[in-house]
Amino acid sequence: DADVTQTPRNRITKTGKRIMLECSQTKGHDRMYWYRQDPGLGLRLIYYSFDVKDINKGEISDGYSVSRQAQAKFSLSLESAIPNQTALYFCATSDLHSGNTIYFGEGSWLTVV
Amino acid sequence: ELKVEQNPLFLSMQEGKNYTIYCNYSTTSDRLYWYRQDPGKSLESLFVLLSNGAVKQEGRLMASLDTKARLSTLHITAAVHDLSATYFCAVDFGNEKLTFGTGTRLTIIP
Repeated sequence: DADVTQTPRNRITKTGKRIMLECSQTKGHDRMYWYRQDPGLGLRLIYYSFDVKDINKGEISDGYSVSRQAQAKFSLSLESAIPNQTALYFCATSDLHSGNTIYFGEGSWLTVV
Repeated sequence: ELKVEQNPLFLSMQEGKNYTIYCNYSTTSDRLYWYRQDPGKSLESLFVLLSNGAVKQEGRLMASLDTKARLSTLHITAAVHDLSATYFCAVDFGNEKLTFGTGTRLTIIP
């Protein structure tokens, strides 16, 4: 089983709908992140959390919200999806004891039509 | 502004040849990461470079970091087809989160 699990892996949704992407990790890491990947743009940070009570906006947080339900769970919501939010979304985790490495989930393909 | 630039963006090379991917970044950092991504897949950590002059090697790949020049290189030796992928560098600018380059799509031609 993957250490960082994302659900759903693929989703097609309609404009204006609410969609939630969930992430859970078994690595015991404190820090969790949501990134978005678009062709030719690399990965861009949406939100990050350094512990359960800590939520921070990243580079492109507009149109998104997050919830850190537990140390192991970090969900990303699109309250009213729009087509330019069509992208590949990655959850990631790290902590100071992981050798500074950030571990990524398998990704969630989201298409907004 | 925190920026990370990679070049080239696209690279086609023949098997057996050597080449280097460059990663420049905009301001002081001593934490740089290299990742590999296969199409439609997740990112796989290749190297973590944590100090000036750091050099790490794994198989045909070698990464180095020059913090004074704000430059990291990923050198490929005697390329083989299995190395075809997109390679990303990412920099921690001291705020415990990564800024990624746009990636280099590497294609190894037999």
